[in-house]
Amino acid sequence: NAGVTQTPKFQVLKTGQSMTLQCAQDMNHEYMSWYRQDPGMGLRLIHYSVGAGITDQGEVPNGYNVSRSTTEDFPLRLLSAAPSQTSVYFCASRQDGGKYNEQFFGPGTRLTVL
Amino acid sequence: AQTVTQSQPEMSVQEAETVTLSCTYDTSESDYYLFWYKQPPSRQMILVIRQEAYKQQNATENRFSVNFQKAAKSFSLKISDSQLGDAAMYFCAYLSGNTPLVFGKGTRLSVIA
Repeated sequence: NAGVTQTPKFQVLKTGQSMTLQCAQDMNHEYMSWYRQDPGMGLRLIHYSVGAGITDQGEVPNGYNVSRSTTEDFPLRLLSAAPSQTSVYFCASRQDGGKYNEQFFGPGTRLTVL
Repeated sequence: AQTVTQSQPEMSVQEAETVTLSCTYDTSESDYYLFWYKQPPSRQMILVIRQEAYKQQNATENRFSVNFQKAAKSFSLKISDSQLGDAAMYFCAYLSGNTPLVFGKGTRLSVIA
């Protein structure tokens, strides 16, 4: 199992550009989430999904879109990047009711918006 | 909404000594899970230890143990015999039912040789 994979690992954008952060998991997990990590702020939830076709907003959803067409993939879209979106982004997955509800994380994407 | 508070932004410990990281949480649920995650400079999130709220016994994993006080909504992490490799950010996290994992803001632990 590859676990949770994220691409790219690093990205630099200009203000106003759009891009998609990719996330995939091969553990057949129903639950997937996107977090952003900023210094002194911990990990804040952007969007999450409890299964294919179902998504919901987290604490900081503005400026981000998600979709969940398959169990495996959960891409995060930035429609018009802003400097405030400079952050490290983590994708995570878990199987509800699985062993201790353990959540698995991808390696993260460091995004810089100039 | 559930909240997780880590009141110590930074901590330091001498190598081979013991350190305790604090975490409190707010919830009205009776059944939930609590976690401590370690994030070294590599940025990878590593699960250190977990606690099920219905278990009265405190969880332990080798040099890591927790002090779970359900009534006080407190969940501290004790690291014994600290090693240089323990230097990292530590996050406390809460999970209940079908809700997303909620994190505290983290504690940066330095280990002094």
